[in-house]
Order: sequence, then C-alpha cells, then structure tokens
Amino acid sequence: DTGVSQDPRHKITKRGQNVTFRCDPISEHNRLYWYRQTLGQGPEFLTYFQNEAQLEKSRLLSDRFSAERPKGSFSTLEIQRTEQGDSAMYLCASSTDRAYNEQFFGPGTRLTVL
Amino acid sequence: AQSVAQPEDQVNVAEGNPLTVKCTYSVSGNPYLFWYVQYPNRGLQFLLKYITGDNLVKGSYGFEAEFNKSQTSFHLKKPSALVSDSALYFCAVRDGYSASKIIFGSGTRLSIRP
Repeated sequence: DTGVSQDPRHKITKRGQNVTFRCDPISEHNRLYWYRQTLGQGPEFLTYFQNEAQLEKSRLLSDRFSAERPKGSFSTLEIQRTEQGDSAMYLCASSTDRAYNEQFFGPGTRLTVL
Repeated sequence: AQSVAQPEDQVNVAEGNPLTVKCTYSVSGNPYLFWYVQYPNRGLQFLLKYITGDNLVKGSYGFEAEFNKSQTSFHLKKPSALVSDSALYFCAVRDGYSASKIIFGSGTRLSIRP
C-alpha cells in the first residue's frame, strides 16, 4: 500500500505524559498536513509543511504541540504534558505542490488521555 | 471567514433510491469546494472538488455534486444508493487566506438500508 501511513493507530496515555506520532506521506508528495478530529466534528487544521519547512501553524497548536519534518519525508507530531482535552483523532495528509487541493489522508492516530 | 455547513447530522436512504447530502457555504471570493468520505477505521477519502467550470461535478464511486451559486450550496448526490455508501461525509472549503488549509464541515452520517 503506497498511501499515507500513520503510527501508532491507537495511543492511550496518562495525563501529563508526552506522546509522539509519526506520519509517512505518499512518497512523491512534498506537502504534509496535520489535522485533529474530535468526536462529532470535522477535521481541524493544525499545521502543514512544504518539504522540511513548516509554513503555517494554527492557533489550535499550543506550545505543548510541536511538529517536525526534518528531511522532508516523514513527520512527527509531539504533544508534551498531555491533557484530557487532547484526546482526539490526529490525521495526517499529503499532497503534491501542483494538486495541493487534493489531500490524501492517512488512517489517523486515536489518542486517549486518561 | 470561509465556512461550510452541513444541516443534517444523519441521512437515511433505502438502497436503490437517490441520495442527497446537503452542504451550504459561506466564502469571500471564488469558492473552492470539496467532498470527502470517511469509512470506519479508514482515512478520509477525496470524492470530488469544484473550482470552476461546470456546475455539476462528477467524482468517485458514482457520486456527483451540484454547485449552486445563487443558493450558495454544494449538495452531494448519487442516483442510486448502495449499502456500501454508508459512511460519514464531509463537505469542505479551501481557506481564503491559506490555500493549503481546508476547512471541514461537521459531517453527515449516511445510512443506506437494504
């Protein structure tokens, strides 16, 4: 399968712990996006990268959140000192520069903070 | 600010009947509109988009959407529903300030009964 992959698919953690998620985009896609989806809502944009450059961050991305894409390939999203309100599905998507309106999504990482 | 609204949380249709999932939009400038589908335990999948041109847009899996500027609507349609169409459907619009950001509606759960 050459689609977007995310790891892990599920993560349960205790409040105050740090967690890190990984996203591997489609290989020829140089744009990578992170979204968060809570129950009963549509995905909300968090941040996006063009190659290794993080070009935009949402106000939803508090100081506890950090995303990296060091070599312009895979990306990681880290949440420090998790809170119960961080419980959500974290979605990654990728696209080409030319067809940036067509974003291909991964299956998501479901985070539960106890 | 760009936004989309999906007025129905759930739509129930009998297999073989036509289906419509409603979406209205609010944008400044030209609208870039999308429909995505989310199946259980799978990522969001792109169905179709409207950028310019014909008001009737054809997409994947036999779906189409009708852009109506006067009613600011972009309803998703299919002439004959299949049980396998049962899923969560999201209408979305490209952000007016950030071309890479997509703003999603809250979703409509489509249930097709045999």
